[in-house]
Amino acid sequence: GQSLEQPSEVTAVEGAIVQINCTYQTSGFYGLSWYQQHDGGAPTFLSYNALDGLEETGRFSSFLSRSDSYGYLLLQELQMKDSASYFCAGSGCGGATNKLIFGTGTLLAVQP
Amino acid sequence: GAVVSQHPSWVICKSGTSVKIECRSLDFQATTMFWYRQFPKQSLMLMATSNEGSKATYEQGVEKDKFLINHASLTLSTLTVTSAHPEDSSFYICSARMGATLNTEAFFGQGTRLTVV
Repeated sequence: GQSLEQPSEVTAVEGAIVQINCTYQTSGFYGLSWYQQHDGGAPTFLSYNALDGLEETGRFSSFLSRSDSYGYLLLQELQMKDSASYFCAGSGCGGATNKLIFGTGTLLAVQP
Repeated sequence: GAVVSQHPSWVICKSGTSVKIECRSLDFQATTMFWYRQFPKQSLMLMATSNEGSKATYEQGVEKDKFLINHASLTLSTLTVTSAHPEDSSFYICSARMGATLNTEAFFGQGTRLTVV
């Protein structure tokens, strides 16, 4: 089966850098995605790692180490609007369903 | 990005009634859509995979007779919560991917907040 664990909450100040970790146990795992969800809203895609290493997209970067079953999302130059829940999601369970299994989620609170 | 529209955005219904939620891909065809449920302060839990023209694939522990899924066309999937009860109150979200490759972004509907009283 699949399970993806994240810290439940993280607090940081504006302008800082924060790292949100994701450790997973999966079978048939093909990649790690990251999604942002503001309270009451739909998740929006942030990043995807198919291979080991760092992917950079503006202020957000994501890292994957498949040998360690570990990944993280790095948010730089934090802004108040970054306060949201962040989810890692595992891709692929075999077959053609291409489904995403979400991690436990991390609530990020950015303070002035 | 691609647009997935979900309707209704919120609904309040009496216990024992059925509720239908629609999920439409507006500018692309989706042979597969996914239905999630999210309780407050919790993660998204995959309920089922909706397959166009065939039966849905349900995750373990999800009652297929209670959560009826129909995927009649390449742009529409519906989730019907039958005989809803207060414990079914939740945020239901659908998603779809444009392609079959694993690195394609998943697009989510706006979600439906269901309250059963």
